[in-house]
Amino acid sequence: QSVLTQPPSVSGAPGQRVAISCTGSSSNIGTGYEVHWYQQFPGTAPKVLIYGNSNRPSGVSDRFSGSKSGTSASLAITGLQAEDEADYFCQSYDSSLSGWVFGGGTKLTVL
Amino acid sequence: EVQLLESGGGLVQPGGSLRLSCAASGFTFRTYAMSWVRQAPGKGLQWVSTISGATSYSDSVEGRFTISRDDSKNTLYLQMNSLTAEDTAIYYCAKGEGPKRENWHFDCWGQGTLVTVSS
Repeated sequence: QSVLTQPPSVSGAPGQRVAISCTGSSSNIGTGYEVHWYQQFPGTAPKVLIYGNSNRPSGVSDRFSGSKSGTSASLAITGLQAEDEADYFCQSYDSSLSGWVFGGGTKLTVL
Repeated sequence: EVQLLESGGGLVQPGGSLRLSCAASGFTFRTYAMSWVRQAPGKGLQWVSTISGATSYSDSVEGRFTISRDDSKNTLYLQMNSLTAEDTAIYYCAKGEGPKRENWHFDCWGQGTLVTVSS
């Protein structure tokens, strides 16, 4: 059971918009700690996609965007492409655990 | 270019020990927090340990794992003792980034090294 809750899977057709939620609590996201998002393809290491709630590293497409409100955060992907099919993880810090925590991951399928 | 290269993984019996290494290059290693993150087969990511000025550990490894670094060799280590099947995972080293400790994210990752605990 992950501290941050994500839907196990989401799907969308090419060109559509999808959103992946990340729900936390008052000891992590709700405290004001930042949320970061990672993309992982099978057999490869994760790559940071969004950091500091809504910032994109250089080289990351502007089709990816992040937001945060209260105890939750969301990753939105617009103009869905086949190459976006991957696993996505959110990450934050938890004061009760005194450590960094991840969501369980969401598998994105492009139909 | 930032590079992180893990080594030391392998098959170990329950109760055994293993030491992982992570060789870093392309950045000023001594000025950054470094972490270990693991991923059990087919599962999600789990933070294991971080070293900056101090060390911190997840509850699941506290007392069994020890993180350390040799800044003269640009290398991060993870000494793992009393291993159990639940420790079977790919272990990634990752570089921490961010202005505030609690808001660090992992901006660079190694390719990972597989640890299998089995008899």
